[in-house]
Amino acid sequence: RKEVEQDPGPFNVPEGATVAFNCTYSNSASQSFFWYRQDCRKEPKLLMSVYSSGNEDGRFTAQLNRASQYISLLIRDSKLSDSATYLCVVNWGSGTYKYIFGTGTRLKVLA
Amino acid sequence: DTGVSQNPRHKITKRGQNVTFRCDPISEHNRLYWYRQTLGQGPEFLTYFQNEAQLEKSRLLSDRFSAERPKGSFSTLEIQRTEQGDSAMYLCASSVGQGVYGYTFGSGTRLTVV
Repeated sequence: RKEVEQDPGPFNVPEGATVAFNCTYSNSASQSFFWYRQDCRKEPKLLMSVYSSGNEDGRFTAQLNRASQYISLLIRDSKLSDSATYLCVVNWGSGTYKYIFGTGTRLKVLA
Repeated sequence: DTGVSQNPRHKITKRGQNVTFRCDPISEHNRLYWYRQTLGQGPEFLTYFQNEAQLEKSRLLSDRFSAERPKGSFSTLEIQRTEQGDSAMYLCASSVGQGVYGYTFGSGTRLTVV
């Protein structure tokens, strides 16, 4: 099993749609979780951390399910500017802050 | 500019040559990380430093790769005897403390081995 798995997509959605991505991780000792956004040929940028109780930042909602070892990202009211690759990031084990990245999920928001 | 700075932005080299990349982290960040990313993949961990100490190195990193952070500030990544398979984007990131708030990445160095 891969350390961090994501559906590569692409997800093609119309503007205004709600879209959700899931990510699973294999190390039950992982403690820190993030979603990063990466535009084509650019560096990854932190979108949001993922907290145990779930958290929201504007149109973006992140959730964590430790029992099933997955995290999710929900984007509401998609904008054209949301088109990007979304990377799921997990720290590798307890006490280490080496982060492992998933392969990313491509999102394309269509006009 | 107070972000993470990487140089050069692009490097084209012939197979068998040595290349060196530089990363200047955010000044108050004591942790520095190197990742490699190929097309369609997520960034792959290579190594990381806390101050000048190299704390971990990926098993995927062959002996041709070496990284240093001599004074706990900037870091260099050297690849000796480059191979075509080394062609990738090399990303540097830094964090304050253990990175509980995530990393900040530089713009990367794109290496092409011909």
